[in-house]
Amino acid sequence: DTGVSQNPRHKITKRGQNVTFRCDPISEHNRLYWYRQTLGQGPEFLTYFQNEAQLEKSRLLSDRFSAERPKGSFSTLEIQRTEQGDSAMYLCASSRIRQGTNGYTFGSGTRLTVV
Amino acid sequence: DAKTTQPTSMDCAEGRAANLPCNHSTISGNEYVYWYRQIHSQGPQYIIHGLKNNETNEMASLIITEDRKSSTLILPHATLRDTAVYYCIVRVARLNSGGSNYKLTFGKGTLLTVNP
Repeated sequence: DTGVSQNPRHKITKRGQNVTFRCDPISEHNRLYWYRQTLGQGPEFLTYFQNEAQLEKSRLLSDRFSAERPKGSFSTLEIQRTEQGDSAMYLCASSRIRQGTNGYTFGSGTRLTVV
Repeated sequence: DAKTTQPTSMDCAEGRAANLPCNHSTISGNEYVYWYRQIHSQGPQYIIHGLKNNETNEMASLIITEDRKSSTLILPHATLRDTAVYYCIVRVARLNSGGSNYKLTFGKGTLLTVNP
């Protein structure tokens, strides 16, 4: 169990550029989640996948955001035409269906800075 | 999920017990109390959870009041590495596909600073 891996750890981009982040969950976990965290706040739910199906998207996920999990394994989160307000830590987490009550395992996140 | 209230920050001396309170007066009968912590520049880490009985694991103890309206996370011998933001979350435990109880709703948490 190598944990949840996120790449890159840091990304600095110019406003208007597109960025893509990758998340590799724990291999036997069929659920994958994306959260966003801004400075001084707790993480906020963005979206989640069960296997390859994206089952819910938060209202925080504007049309510029798209997430995929094509083979039910790794996931990508793309932000198009980035804005300064997109600057945040993007966290990925995974869990099993009916894992029980122990909750998720989070990755260390990708910190995005839009300049 | 029920809302929780935590102090913004707390200090603790190294080697002493850290007692972190959480109020969750609107908790429902089927909602568990979860604690996570987030060390700087890392993702949240699961600590412990409970329904109504007190719980203990290798990291911490969780004391839930009889009316379940509040709880306390206890780190028995705090170390400098326990400095982190601690989040108290209440949610239905079972990760059913049909409901929305897979989400974690974080507040701002408590910043615990362990001092040497």
